[in-house]
Amino acid sequence: DTGVSQNPRHKITKRGQNVTFRCDPISEHNRLYWYRQTLGQGPEFLTYFQNEAQLEKSRLLSDRFSAERPKGSFSTLEIQRTEQGDSAMYLCASSPLRDRETQYFGPGTRLLVL
Amino acid sequence: SQQGEEDPQALSIQEGENATMNCSYKTSINNLQWYRQNSGRGLVHLILIRSNEREKHSGRLRVTLDTSKKSSSLLITASRAADTASYFCAPPDMRFGAGTRLTVKP
Repeated sequence: DTGVSQNPRHKITKRGQNVTFRCDPISEHNRLYWYRQTLGQGPEFLTYFQNEAQLEKSRLLSDRFSAERPKGSFSTLEIQRTEQGDSAMYLCASSPLRDRETQYFGPGTRLLVL
Repeated sequence: SQQGEEDPQALSIQEGENATMNCSYKTSINNLQWYRQNSGRGLVHLILIRSNEREKHSGRLRVTLDTSKKSSSLLITASRAADTASYFCAPPDMRFGAGTRLTVKP
């Protein structure tokens, strides 16, 4: 069990560019979550998947944001036409069916939009 | 949905002292979890307490839950510099508050 991994760990981009982040959950965890965290704040829920189905999306997830989990394993989070306000840490977490209340977090992807 | 709200926002203590952090929430819950986050890292699950439990221990951690007051507390005993981190409580729908930033001075 290697834990939740996220790539890249850091991303610097220019305003208006698109970025895509990847999350590999712990093997056989059927739930996968995305959060955004800004400095000094707690993680803000964005969306979650159960297997390949996206079950909930936050209002924070504007139409520039899209998340997928096509085969129920890894997930991608894409931000189109990035804005400076998108600069944040993007966290992924997964949980197993037998203990879905406990989430296992990845190290995060830190995005800086210039 | 609801959010856990931690108090105080920041806490600074000397190594060896105990640290107490509080969490309040608004509606009924089945369980509540506490997480720790070291600077710039992901969150680490510390402990889950269920609504039928009033107190739970894990090593130097002690968590209490008062469902009548809709509050929980996390006590870290004999703190160490390595305990320096932000601590978050999370109701079941995982809406996090801003957390308590704990600094333990060596």
